[in-house]
Amino acid sequence: KQEVTQIPAALSVPEGENLVLNCSFTDSAIYNLQWFRQDPGKGLTSLLLIQSSQREQTSGRLNASLDKSSGRSTLYIAASQPGDSATYLCAPRPGDDKIIFGKGTRLHILP
Amino acid sequence: DTGVSQDPRHKITKRGQNVTFRCDPISEHNRLYWYRQTLGQGPEFLTYFQNEAQLEKSRLLSDRFSAERPKGSFSTLEIQRTEQGDSAMYLCASSFGLAGRLAEQFFGPGTRLTVL
Repeated sequence: KQEVTQIPAALSVPEGENLVLNCSFTDSAIYNLQWFRQDPGKGLTSLLLIQSSQREQTSGRLNASLDKSSGRSTLYIAASQPGDSATYLCAPRPGDDKIIFGKGTRLHILP
Repeated sequence: DTGVSQDPRHKITKRGQNVTFRCDPISEHNRLYWYRQTLGQGPEFLTYFQNEAQLEKSRLLSDRFSAERPKGSFSTLEIQRTEQGDSAMYLCASSFGLAGRLAEQFFGPGTRLTVL
């Protein structure tokens, strides 16, 4: 059974800092991996999707990397802004069509 | 708005009552998913449909839960005889999936259920 761990569970940093969110998963036989953002009480917004054959994906100030063999992914946020405050969820996808989520990292950017 | 929509956004009910939630996927998306999220946890998979066929159900989906997608478009999730442990955010997602390929899932805003 796939288990997903996200570290840290919570993070507060001053605006402008670069930061890294970590995700590890126990079953490396994944099809792809998504990173999502969730604002309090809201649904999920997909940020990046990395295919299992890829090493990284970039979108604006976000960069996600994937090391399938070691069961790790990182989300790098450059020049953080208060609007980046949210919970970030890592979601490795197995060969079938459901998503297995971690508990998320709660990020708070201090103005 | 062409995203996934869910109705209602909030539902408060008394223990023992039945509730039904609706999800309208993105037009043309053939796959539809239901997830449940409790406070401080990531979403947990409940079930998914390809067109009108329900292809997989999680063990979390007890016999009090039933989901349908009768015409392959919108879906309903019904919970019978609600219990306080059913209190959660119920999330719907949709994707356009082809055989052998897993497509990006797009999520709706969720329905927050509170069982008193």
